[in-house]
Amino acid sequence: EAQVTQNPRYLITVTGKKLTVTCSQNMNHEYMSWYRQDPGLGLRQIYYSMNVEVTDKGDVPEGYKVSRKEKRNFPLILESPSPNQTSLYFCASSMTGVNTEAFFGQGTRLTVV
Amino acid sequence: AQKVTQAQTEISVVEKEDVTLDCVYETRDTTYYLFWYKQPPSGELVFLIRRNSFDEQNEISGRYSWNFQKSTSSFNFTITASQVVDSAVYFCALRNNAGNNRKLIWGLGTSLAVNP
Repeated sequence: EAQVTQNPRYLITVTGKKLTVTCSQNMNHEYMSWYRQDPGLGLRQIYYSMNVEVTDKGDVPEGYKVSRKEKRNFPLILESPSPNQTSLYFCASSMTGVNTEAFFGQGTRLTVV
Repeated sequence: AQKVTQAQTEISVVEKEDVTLDCVYETRDTTYYLFWYKQPPSGELVFLIRRNSFDEQNEISGRYSWNFQKSTSSFNFTITASQVVDSAVYFCALRNNAGNNRKLIWGLGTSLAVNP
């Protein structure tokens, strides 16, 4: 089954404790990205990757890192999480064509206390 | 600047009613792409439809239909004979044709409650 898999689905952590949210897709998509969803602000892009070893900032990259060592994986790293990073996070993948839909993971609900 | 506006924050209907979710977009690009996604209570984002700016044909898929009108920059979504399972948040999104980033610009969503 074609899918984007994120882990964990839910995470509660403390301020400053490094964490990684994993994302893996099995559709051989070149393009992957991360969004965060917040009430009243909607979905905003954090980082994106056009292909292996090619990543770039989205609209809200501060406090986040990503890596793309393999085509299928695109982890999101929070080196020192803060409460303002409490959010619902989505990983997405798609083909590189502009006229293609994005497939999303199930979401990761992160709470930083 | 690009923007997507979903003016209806919440809609509540009774099962079997028809309901239309509005989406108005702003872009200066002549080539762009519009999308609708559904976010059920379980939280995932489910793709519903994609439409490019050159294709103004309306589309029907079962109980779902979409009306794209470039003249009014609108891409509205109608659910006919709504069902309880249609209860979800629905998002309209826009993507332009520039650069490498395939970023989607999202509306804030319309929360649809279909009551039995």
